[in-house]
Formats: sequence, structure tokens, C-alpha cells
Amino acid sequence: AQSVSQHNHHVILSEAASLELGCNYSYGGTVNLFWYVQYPGQHLQLLLKYFSGDPLVKGIKGFEAEFIKSKFSFNLRKPSVQWSDTAEYFCAASTGGGNKLTFGTGTQLKVEL
Amino acid sequence: DGGITQSPKYLFRKEGQNVTLSCEQNLNHDAMYWYRQDPGQGLRLIYYSQIVNDFQKGDIAEGYSVSREKKESFPLTVTSAQKNPTAFYLCASSREPGQGIRRAKNIQYFGAGTRLSVL
Repeated sequence: AQSVSQHNHHVILSEAASLELGCNYSYGGTVNLFWYVQYPGQHLQLLLKYFSGDPLVKGIKGFEAEFIKSKFSFNLRKPSVQWSDTAEYFCAASTGGGNKLTFGTGTQLKVEL
Repeated sequence: DGGITQSPKYLFRKEGQNVTLSCEQNLNHDAMYWYRQDPGQGLRLIYYSQIVNDFQKGDIAEGYSVSREKKESFPLTVTSAQKNPTAFYLCASSREPGQGIRRAKNIQYFGAGTRLSVL
């Protein structure tokens, strides 16, 4: 069965620090990868996605993620975080042409001023 | 204003009671989903439906039931058989699953959620 792992459960950073959140998936076939974000009191929204092509994908608000097939990873990065990036971040995966998503357990990011 | 509407925002369930959570979308999406979110466990799929009058169990379907009589509506009933119903419930929708170039369209969009508590 497919699974998604997020190893950082809680991350605390100061403003302007760089961010990297880890995501690993366990599936050997074609996989679609997503990062969703849930800001306090708001609904879950898509940050970025990977289906195929360039393994470095750029999303909203300066976030990017790199798909490394050999490492089964899809880590999320941002060079300089802001206080407004405080949120919970979820990595998710689906297989082939299907829509059924498997989510990681989430990473709670707190950015301090 | 297109989107996914979940109601109510907060819901309380008494012992032995069934409660129904509403999810409506006006995005003309074929597929709809219900997830349960618990702290430290991420989102887990309860049920999903790819077309009207059809639905499949997800990973944690026990104690829940759904119906899909209309394309825009996918209500979730939390039955008395669900012994630990306290959670945040999220509804999502997407275009139908596809292959090739159509995969690019298959992104799930989420509602604002319903928080269910037990009295």
C-alpha cells in the first residue's frame, strides 16, 4: 500500500530563515505529488504539484519542491520564510491517473518574528 | 462564487446518535471525497465517489455512510457505530480521474471543514 512520510512534525524558525520540509513516499510506479497548506482557521489549499516533466516545481508564495525519484522524495523549500508562513503543511501522493490521495501526517511550522 | 461548502461548521453528537455532515460543490466536479483530520495523523480518506450513484470505501470507512444522489452533493453520516467520532472532517472534490494530459486537471479542492465533537 502506498504511504507518505513527513519526518518533521514541528518546526520553529525565525523570519528570513530557510525552510526545507521532508516528504518521502513509498510507491514504485507513476506517482503524482502535492503539497497542501492549512493556514490557521483557513481551508486546505494547494501550494504546488508535480505530475511529470521538470522535477523542480514552483508554487505560490515563493515555495518550491524537488522531485527526486531515486530517493522517493518531494521536499518542500523556501529560501526565506515569513511570519505569515506559519501553518500546517501536508505532503500527499496519488498514483497513475487516479485521484485518491494519500496524505502524510503533516508538519506544523511556526515562524517567529 | 465557486467552491465547496461544508455545513455546519461545528456539530455536536450525543451518545448513540447519527449525525449528517453536508458537502455541496458548484465546481461541476465529478469526484468527491471525505477525509477525517486528527492531530498528528494527517488526513485519512473515509469515502469517495467518482460518479453519481456510486461510491467506494476509503481507508477508515467503518462507522460512516455516504450517498451520492446528485453530482453537487455528497453528505456524510457519522453513525453510532463510530466510537471515536471527534475530529475535523474535510470534504473535497476534483474532476474525474483521467489519463495522460487529463491528469493535469485532477487536483482536489477542499471545503472549510466541519468540527464534530461528542457531548
